[in-house]
Amino acid sequence: QKEVEQDPGPLSVPEGAIVSLNCTYSNSAFQYFMWYRQYSRKGPELLMYTYSSGNKEDGRFTAQVDKSSKYISLFIRDSQPSDSATYLCAMSAGTPLVFGKGTRLSVIA
Amino acid sequence: GAVVSQHPSWVICKSGTSVKIECRSLDFQATTMFWYRQFPKQSLMLMATSNEGSKATYEQGVEKDKFLINHASLTLSTLTVTSAHPEDSSFYICSARLLREKLFFGSGTQLSVL
Repeated sequence: QKEVEQDPGPLSVPEGAIVSLNCTYSNSAFQYFMWYRQYSRKGPELLMYTYSSGNKEDGRFTAQVDKSSKYISLFIRDSQPSDSATYLCAMSAGTPLVFGKGTRLSVIA
Repeated sequence: GAVVSQHPSWVICKSGTSVKIECRSLDFQATTMFWYRQFPKQSLMLMATSNEGSKATYEQGVEKDKFLINHASLTLSTLTVTSAHPEDSSFYICSARLLREKLFFGSGTQLSVL
């Protein structure tokens, strides 16, 4: 079993839809959880950062961490074509980040 | 958020030459920087961890003599691909750690070796 599992997609949604992205993991020592957005041929951009369990909201983005289920989610409300990108989950136990493979999202106008 | 500058963003070189990529943290000091490699439609692959003032730590399978890393100051790390060959063509990305595992990434460098 891989340390971090993420469905690669691609995921295609209409503009305005709510998008749900998620990752599962196996290492119960992970405490730091992040979501990055990466446009083609660009470096990843930090979207959300969460320490331990709980929810965090920032504008149209909500990150959830459920450590009991080893499951994290990113929700995007009112999705826009500019949200079309690859979304990478990442997590750490105080060591270098472990990344998911990324989910490719397309928001169709 | 914190800004990490990486350049060049794109470089083409002949086989056998060396290429240097710079990574700078512009508005914070980074004692630790990381270098990643990314193939098309793949996730990030950690190559090495760069600590200011000490030798870099390379991941298994990464040739330290081919990928020279220098982290001479708290704001600058460099990756030199020595004697580059076509199989070294890839997208290279650096990142700098601000605190508590929060990483900020550079914009990446696309290396093409002819």
